[in-house]
Amino acid sequence: GAVVSQHPSRVICKSGTSVKIECRSLDFQATTMFWYRQFPKQSLMLMATSNEGSKATYEQGVEKDKFLINHASLTLSTLTVTSAHPEDSSFYICSAPPPGHGNIQYFGAGTRLSVL
Amino acid sequence: DAKTTQPTSMDCAEGRAANLPCNHSTISGNEYVYWYRQIHSQGPQYIIHGLKNNETNEMASLIITEDRKSSTLILPHATLRDTAVYYCIVRVQVGNQGGKLIFGQGTELSVKP
Repeated sequence: GAVVSQHPSRVICKSGTSVKIECRSLDFQATTMFWYRQFPKQSLMLMATSNEGSKATYEQGVEKDKFLINHASLTLSTLTVTSAHPEDSSFYICSAPPPGHGNIQYFGAGTRLSVL
Repeated sequence: DAKTTQPTSMDCAEGRAANLPCNHSTISGNEYVYWYRQIHSQGPQYIIHGLKNNETNEMASLIITEDRKSSTLILPHATLRDTAVYYCIVRVQVGNQGGKLIFGQGTELSVKP
């Protein structure tokens, strides 16, 4: 079946540094990918829609200058958390829908970000 | 997209069927019902979806009422590995490649020995 790979699985960084998270669709092309954030004991919150070859679409309340999204190829989207602070510590998850499967999406395993 | 309502939590004995309800009383005629689950500290996993007919796959069965205002996900023989948060999402089928999914709070299913 379709596989989405997310890297790294865990990252610890100092406050003020930037962190890049990669999301790859391994056996299909994805013109669209999605980025979610999840705080402990809460549901997934959609952050943005990553569009190949064009700007990402951000959900209301998500700072586009803080969460930079790049979708440079049909199999790779990256999320960069710029100038990370402790309140950015969270579980970040990406997803991608294989073509022709409607709203079925495949999710990465997630990235646990801890900002000290 | 239609709003869904699910119980916050449920318990199920190992080996028994787990029946997870979802209410979507405002569903539109062209909206599908999707079920995903999230095992702790992992990314969500697609389970099943349907429009109006009952559906079955290797993971589960989906029963949708005739008026489509509610549905039930059935895990026929729950195992400890089925312990997870189960999300019911109602969504219009979008083009060739899917649209965004909005997750509610879901049902936390605990399968007990």
